[in-house]
Amino acid sequence: AQSVAQPEDQVNVAEGNPLTVKCTYSVSGNPYLFWYVQYPNRGLQFLLKYITGDNLVKGSYGFEAEFNKSQTSFHLKKPSALVSDSALYFCAVRDGGSSASKIIFGSGTRLSIRP
Amino acid sequence: GAVVSQHPSWVICKSGTSVKIECRSLDFQATTMFWYRQFPKQSLMLMATSNEGSKATYEQGVEKDKFLINHASLTLSTLTVTSAHPEDSSFYICSVPIRDQSYYFGPGTRLTVL
Repeated sequence: AQSVAQPEDQVNVAEGNPLTVKCTYSVSGNPYLFWYVQYPNRGLQFLLKYITGDNLVKGSYGFEAEFNKSQTSFHLKKPSALVSDSALYFCAVRDGGSSASKIIFGSGTRLSIRP
Repeated sequence: GAVVSQHPSWVICKSGTSVKIECRSLDFQATTMFWYRQFPKQSLMLMATSNEGSKATYEQGVEKDKFLINHASLTLSTLTVTSAHPEDSSFYICSVPIRDQSYYFGPGTRLTVL
């Protein structure tokens, strides 16, 4: 089965500094990877996805992620953090070859940006 | 605007009662929908896959008689928590896959069982 791992429960960054939220994956076949963000008591908002193509994927709110096949990683990055980026971030992988396949989430990483 | 809605957004009920949560796909038809639950400060755990026109597929460890799923139409799936107990208190979120390989999520329903 497909899975993703987020090794950090919490990441703390000063505003204006670059941020990285880590994710590694384990898949058989081609990986379909996603990043979502969740604000308190809210649903999930889509940030970006990797299906195929360029290893650097650009997404919403200035976020990007780098797909690294040799390291089986899909880390989320942003060059300059904002206080408003503070939220819970989930890496996810599609489990199956169909566009209607379920997606499986990592454990989540809480990002805290201090002013 | 939102493409997936959930109703209600929050509900408080007494132990032993049943609660129905609706998930609607607003802009497109969905033969498949997913139901997740999320405990405080934890990840989303997939409960079941709702299939229009057939039975839902439940994940291991999820009681199908406890969590009834009905995919009534191509735009509506319902999750009924039967005989709810305090341990069922959670945040329930539905998701709809769309053609561009993405998934939209509903805003979630917070269930509190007293």
